[in-house]
Amino acid sequence: QQPVQSPQAVILREGEDAVINCSSSKALYSVHWYRQKHGEAPVFLMILLKGGEQKGHEKISASFNEKKQQSSLYLTASQLSYSGTYFCGTEKAAGNKLTFGGGTRVLVKP
Amino acid sequence: NAGVTQTPKFHILKIGQSMTLQCTQDMNHNYMYWYRQDPGMGLKLIYYSVGAGITDKGEVPNGYNVSRSTTEDFPLRLELAAPSQTSVYFCATKGSGQYLNYGYTFGSGTRLTVV
Repeated sequence: QQPVQSPQAVILREGEDAVINCSSSKALYSVHWYRQKHGEAPVFLMILLKGGEQKGHEKISASFNEKKQQSSLYLTASQLSYSGTYFCGTEKAAGNKLTFGGGTRVLVKP
Repeated sequence: NAGVTQTPKFHILKIGQSMTLQCTQDMNHNYMYWYRQDPGMGLKLIYYSVGAGITDKGEVPNGYNVSRSTTEDFPLRLELAAPSQTSVYFCATKGSGQYLNYGYTFGSGTRLTVV
């Protein structure tokens, strides 16, 4: 079952912060986050594993609440380059396939 | 080091025709995937493979076929193309073993239009 992302879209001014949420109804092994620029392929940002291991990217960080099966992506002091569509992907077991959410469109304005 | 290479980048196909989308990787990754992305939507899994000779269906396999005879190549075959198959197709790979908890590497995509 597809994870649910919210919000669907967010507009920011440069330097502002934003949070994107990803929720699943199933128990998860990991949550991935990707960013896709218009007309390009998704690019891996980070993975959050069951048990709390986390990897970061620039001023973007994330958390994973195992009890709620929810992950949040934090865009801190946003830059123009942060614009794009962010997708979470969830994995039910190690080595399993990813199921992607519907995406969150982020636009950072000067 | 090319990573994941998809060909062609663009293609227009007539209804009822067939074609093969190519995906090749030079990262020695065992896991390979085919996703489709409709305009403004997320990615949906068509087929995947955990190694040479092993393939399995994703959530939207109808109208497609795959094969995996080598670690490097994972072609996607469209049979009897329909307008509903108009989409952008992405091939992705992931490592195994010590690289299991790394992210996917995507190819640049094939933009397919069926008319």
